Amino acid sequence: DAKTTQPTSMDCAEGRAANLPCNHSTISGNEYVYWYRQIHSQGPQYIIHGLKNNETNEMASLIITEDRKSSTLILPHATLRDTAVYYCIVRVTYSGAGSYQLTFGKGTKLSVIP
Amino acid sequence: EAQVTQNPRYLITVTGKKLTVTCSQNMNHEYMSWYRQDPGLGLRQIYYSMNVEVTDKGDVPEGYKVSRKEKRNFPLILESPSPNQTSLYFCASSLSRGREQYFGPGTRLTVT
Repeated sequence: DAKTTQPTSMDCAEGRAANLPCNHSTISGNEYVYWYRQIHSQGPQYIIHGLKNNETNEMASLIITEDRKSSTLILPHATLRDTAVYYCIVRVTYSGAGSYQLTFGKGTKLSVIP
Repeated sequence: EAQVTQNPRYLITVTGKKLTVTCSQNMNHEYMSWYRQDPGLGLRQIYYSMNVEVTDKGDVPEGYKVSRKEKRNFPLILESPSPNQTSLYFCASSLSRGREQYFGPGTRLTVT
């Protein structure tokens, strides 16, 4: 199983870029890197995912190192509403006839400071 | 607006009183699932459904039932709730197996 390591918590000043790192040194070649966030007991929210190329969407950018052993989620201009727990997931479990389960670790609690 | 809805959002009930938590999505997604979230244990899958009339157990199915009679709805049924089912429940859907999942707002259930 590919496991992820994320800092427990981070602070970021409002308006600045938030860079959230994730280590996944045991990732296999066909495993994607997904990022989700959860704002205070709300439903987890999908942010972005990638395989080996950098990706960008309206919410964030995902930078994956060439060896795929780590990645960084970038929120370009953090706002107070971005305060949340951010989960980096590289383990997508397929079991049984069709189970598809996201295995959430402990994530990084990002606090955006005014 | 594309979304997953759950009802009720909050529920306090007593042991043994049957209840249903509804889940509905308006994105024509094939895949739906139920998770529970408990402190220190993270999100754990209860049941999932690949499509209409196709459901299967996740990691923690004991004490729960589901049905998928229509593509958009995936209710979670607790026939005889017990206090250890006190938890925060999330319904999720995705276009198909393996695609990114979209979560509902959650249902906080307390069983006394």
